[in-house]
Amino acid sequence: EVQLVETGGGLVQPGRSLKLSCVASGFTFNNYWMSWTRQAPGKGLEWVASITNSGGSTYYPDSVKGRFTISRDNAQNTLYLQMNSLRSEDTATYYCTRENWAFDYWGQGVMVTVSS
Amino acid sequence: DVLMTQTPVSLPVSLGGQVSISCRSSQSLVHSDGNTYLHWYLQKPGQSPQLLIYRVSNRFSGVPDRFSGSGSGTDFTLKISRVEPEDLGVYYCLQSTHFPYTFGAGTKLELK
Repeated sequence: EVQLVETGGGLVQPGRSLKLSCVASGFTFNNYWMSWTRQAPGKGLEWVASITNSGGSTYYPDSVKGRFTISRDNAQNTLYLQMNSLRSEDTATYYCTRENWAFDYWGQGVMVTVSS
Repeated sequence: DVLMTQTPVSLPVSLGGQVSISCRSSQSLVHSDGNTYLHWYLQKPGQSPQLLIYRVSNRFSGVPDRFSGSGSGTDFTLKISRVEPEDLGVYYCLQSTHFPYTFGAGTKLELK
């Protein structure tokens, strides 16, 4: 059974940093691209970042480029999202997703609140 | 960026009925490899989104055949027949042909 479990969320002040983790199980982690997608309270879905299976390439939308960094540790079956210079508009539930062209499996999500 | 326009925003339905949701993209979703990366999701209240349809018309594992997807180029449709209570929630389309990947704004399926 594919499982994705995110941790690391919480309340953080604007301008500060936070790092999310996602532990994957039930599939061969290093065979798949992985991604993060977020959802602001009461809003729709926004893709945040993707990383190739080797970790050699990463992709971001302009809204987070230069502030967020996606990375992975294939030996530990773990995906990360380093979020710097956080803004109030980054407040959202962040989902870890397996990417198989579509985002086929999703974690339960972790809440990040950016507020002073 | 590719703009994904989903209609309607809200869709009242009777149980057992049939509905269609439209998703239109601002440019063709045909990838250079010849595939079209348009997918459909359902987010039930309080849950993570779940994949229903991938690459326009392929049902994901465990998805009942009441759900079907169709379309090409820039115009796509999700049809749900014999609507059941567990089908209620918000439906999203996603394109992963072009970076940045973009979602439609969602269609809320609710009881009439």
